[in-house]
Amino acid sequence: AQSVTQLDSHVSVSEGTPVLLRCNYSSSYSPSLFWYVQHPNKGLQLLLKYTSAATLVKGINGFEAEFKKSETSFHLTKPSAHMSDAAEYFCVVTAMDSSYKLIFGSGTRLLVRP
Amino acid sequence: DTAVSQTPKYLVTQMGNDKSIKCEQNLGHDTMYWYKQDSKKFLKIMFSYNNKELIINETVPNRFSPKSPDKAHLNLHINSLELGDSAVYFCASSQGDIPSYNEQFFGPGTRLTVL
Repeated sequence: AQSVTQLDSHVSVSEGTPVLLRCNYSSSYSPSLFWYVQHPNKGLQLLLKYTSAATLVKGINGFEAEFKKSETSFHLTKPSAHMSDAAEYFCVVTAMDSSYKLIFGSGTRLLVRP
Repeated sequence: DTAVSQTPKYLVTQMGNDKSIKCEQNLGHDTMYWYKQDSKKFLKIMFSYNNKELIINETVPNRFSPKSPDKAHLNLHINSLELGDSAVYFCASSQGDIPSYNEQFFGPGTRLTVL
């Protein structure tokens, strides 16, 4: 069965420093992977997705993620954090059965210090 | 113009009551979803409808009944509410039901508190 593990429940960075949010996946097949962001009291928004094309995926707001099959990882990065990046981030994989449902990780809360 | 809207935003009720949450999308999408997010932020799909037909029905108690009167609406009715139903419920929609191709757009959520 497909699953994702987000290795950190909280990540704290200073404004202007790099962001790294870690995600490992488990899948018998080549998966589709996503990162979603949830700002406080808001719905989720798609940041980026990987669907077996380029392994380095660029998303909105300067975020990108790299699919590494050998490491079964899909870490999210950003060169320079902004205060507005403070939010909850979810790594997501699609189920490989006919439902194609989204399977969410447990989330990583990103805190950005001034 | 809100793409995916939910009402109410907050819902506080007593155990045993019956309540409904409404969802509407104005994106012209043909697929709609209900997700439950628990107190630990864990998010899990409950139901999915494509062109008003149920296509995903996770292991959800029978007390939860989705209803899709048309493609733009997917309501969630909950009977005999229990303490464990307290959560944030998110509605979402997409054009098509394959996430690899079709982005899901989420509503702002409904925070349900059962006392």
